[in-house]
Amino acid sequence: DGGITQSPKYLFRKEGQNVTLSCEQNLNHDAMYWYRQDPGQGLRLIYYSQIVNDFQKGDIAEGYSVSREKKESFPLTVTSAQKNPTAFYLCASSMGGFVRNQPQHFGDGTRLSIL
Amino acid sequence: AQSVTQLDSQVPVFEEAPVELRCNYSSSVSVYLFWYVQYPNQGLQLLLKYLSGSTLVKGINGFEAEFNKSQTSFHLRKPSVHISDTAEYFCAVSDRGGGNKLTFGTGTQLKVEL
Repeated sequence: DGGITQSPKYLFRKEGQNVTLSCEQNLNHDAMYWYRQDPGQGLRLIYYSQIVNDFQKGDIAEGYSVSREKKESFPLTVTSAQKNPTAFYLCASSMGGFVRNQPQHFGDGTRLSIL
Repeated sequence: AQSVTQLDSQVPVFEEAPVELRCNYSSSVSVYLFWYVQYPNQGLQLLLKYLSGSTLVKGINGFEAEFNKSQTSFHLRKPSVHISDTAEYFCAVSDRGGGNKLTFGTGTQLKVEL
């Protein structure tokens, strides 16, 4: 079955450490996205990529970094510069990065907590 | 830039009763509109979308929504809810200017009670 796989489901980080969240899709989608979800705040866009080897900052990119070396993979690194990293992180993808009106498909998320 | 307002953070309703979840948006350009549902500890699943044409859009699980351009609203309705509809519902908007970036509302928690 096609879909988006996020791993791990739960992740713990010590203060001062960088941590990388995995997102893989086998939907052959061009565009991929990372969101952060906090209670009562909805989803906020961290980074997005409309095509391989290209990505753009979203609304809350500070303290995060991404890469897009392969079409199916879009890992997110939460760096030590992110002061409040505890949140639920969601990865999504959509067809045709520059084609409009395509709905986004979501993975099941990674919950990151600080020890 | 767009924004989405979901005024109701929680909506309690009895099983088999009708429900309406409200969504208003603000945008200086034409938009596409979406409703997503999220069950606990899961990702979001698309319920329905409005792209163009008929302003009444039908989605999965018996939900429907109506696009009202003059009131900049896209309210979600279901005539008879089931206990399994308990979840969080998000309204989202993307502008027609390019790309598929979504702006989400803060969500409405629908709690269906027996």
